[in-house]
Amino acid sequence: NAGVMQNPRHLVRRRGQEARLRCSPMKGHSHVYWYRQLPEEGLKFMVYLQKENIIDESGMPKERFSAEFPKEGPSILRIQQVVRGDSAAYFCASSPDRAYHNEQFFGPGTRLTVL
Amino acid sequence: AQTVTQSQPEMSVQEAETVTLSCTYDTSESDYYLFWYKQPPSRQMILVIRQEAYKQQNATENRFSVNFQKAAKSFSLKISDSQLGDAAMYFCAYRSKDGNKLVFGAGTILRVKS
Repeated sequence: NAGVMQNPRHLVRRRGQEARLRCSPMKGHSHVYWYRQLPEEGLKFMVYLQKENIIDESGMPKERFSAEFPKEGPSILRIQQVVRGDSAAYFCASSPDRAYHNEQFFGPGTRLTVL
Repeated sequence: AQTVTQSQPEMSVQEAETVTLSCTYDTSESDYYLFWYKQPPSRQMILVIRQEAYKQQNATENRFSVNFQKAAKSFSLKISDSQLGDAAMYFCAYRSKDGNKLVFGAGTILRVKS
């Protein structure tokens, strides 16, 4: 059973460009969580999605950031008009359902560098 | 809102010795989960151990064990017989019963000396 897949692993963008980060959850998992890790800091929750629904986006910046988890295909975290402060590692995690005893399985992360 | 505090930015331990990493948290909830994650240089997040708040017995996984003090809101990780492969960043995390998100501490870098 393949784990959580994220791609690309490394992404370099210039200021003002768009960044699209992809996450394929583990097989059988329908819940996806995105976290951001700034340099020298812990992970911070961004958004929680189920198929075709955003459940909790309390950690998402109000502008330029959006997320989706379509019926088919991976979850996408989209950052428009990137700025240097967006440089971070972005982690996706998945779980089979929202029961709080369920472990969230993490992907390897995407490291975004904004030049 | 829940918060997680790891007061030790960095710790060192001699190979084969025991080390304890500290974690405290703040919550008004009575039922929740606590976790320790390991992040090696590869940056992959690896679950080390978890504790259910309603269980009084401390969780144990091989060389890893926790000291869970619910009243004091303390959740320390003990690593016995430390190995070079244990060197990593360790994060303490809290998950409330609504299950939406993990709240992480700032992390502790563990260095293992041979």
